[in-house]
Amino acid sequence: QTVVTQEPSLTVSPGGTVTLTCASSTGTVTSDYYPNWFQQKPGQAPRPLIYSTRYRHSWTPARFSGSLLGGKAALTLSGVQPEDEADYYCLFYRGGVHVFGGGTRLTVL
Amino acid sequence: QVQLQESGPGLVKSSETLSLTCTVSGGSVNGGSYYWTWIRQPPGKGLEWIGYSYYSGFSNYNPSLKSRFSISVDRSKDQFSLKVTSVTAADTAVYYCARGDGSGYYNLDSWGRGISVTVSS
Repeated sequence: QTVVTQEPSLTVSPGGTVTLTCASSTGTVTSDYYPNWFQQKPGQAPRPLIYSTRYRHSWTPARFSGSLLGGKAALTLSGVQPEDEADYYCLFYRGGVHVFGGGTRLTVL
Repeated sequence: QVQLQESGPGLVKSSETLSLTCTVSGGSVNGGSYYWTWIRQPPGKGLEWIGYSYYSGFSNYNPSLKSRFSISVDRSKDQFSLKVTSVTAADTAVYYCARGDGSGYYNLDSWGRGISVTVSS
């Protein structure tokens, strides 16, 4: 069973840039893992942000971007806003099954 | 825009069977390349993918979970369901249903609001 590892927590200043990553226990993450990224605020359902590595949903602000970086999937937030404070989860699709990362709590301070 | 809504009991007793339903509106469970997915989140913890089913009945499940979980699609009602047998306190969680796009992107693009389920002894 694949284990997906994310940074447990990150802190960023308003207006700053931060990169969250997702690593796979199976090795280098490629586009064939179809990385998804979700944002979840307290008491709310996860909101899809990015799919298939780098594609934004129609509702996703342009300051969110997805990529592959150093063998991992990455989510970069540029020009961070206070409302970006949330938990972020990645999701891989591999061999017919999905697996979530453990999540990153992003604090905007 | 498709919308999904979970329904079912908020409380179930240990060792019993939990049945949840997800109703799809603004779209259909029939046809296309979509698959219908369940995810759960225990209190204070992360998301866990449970499994999915296509309208055809083809399904797949999280290999880390035992075979207590089953997902089915009711094409006549535009609903899909999750059954969890022999529940324990570890099954206490918010359960979400979601739509997956199997057309080559494999993304979960629409989610329900979630339903909180507590397993009592």
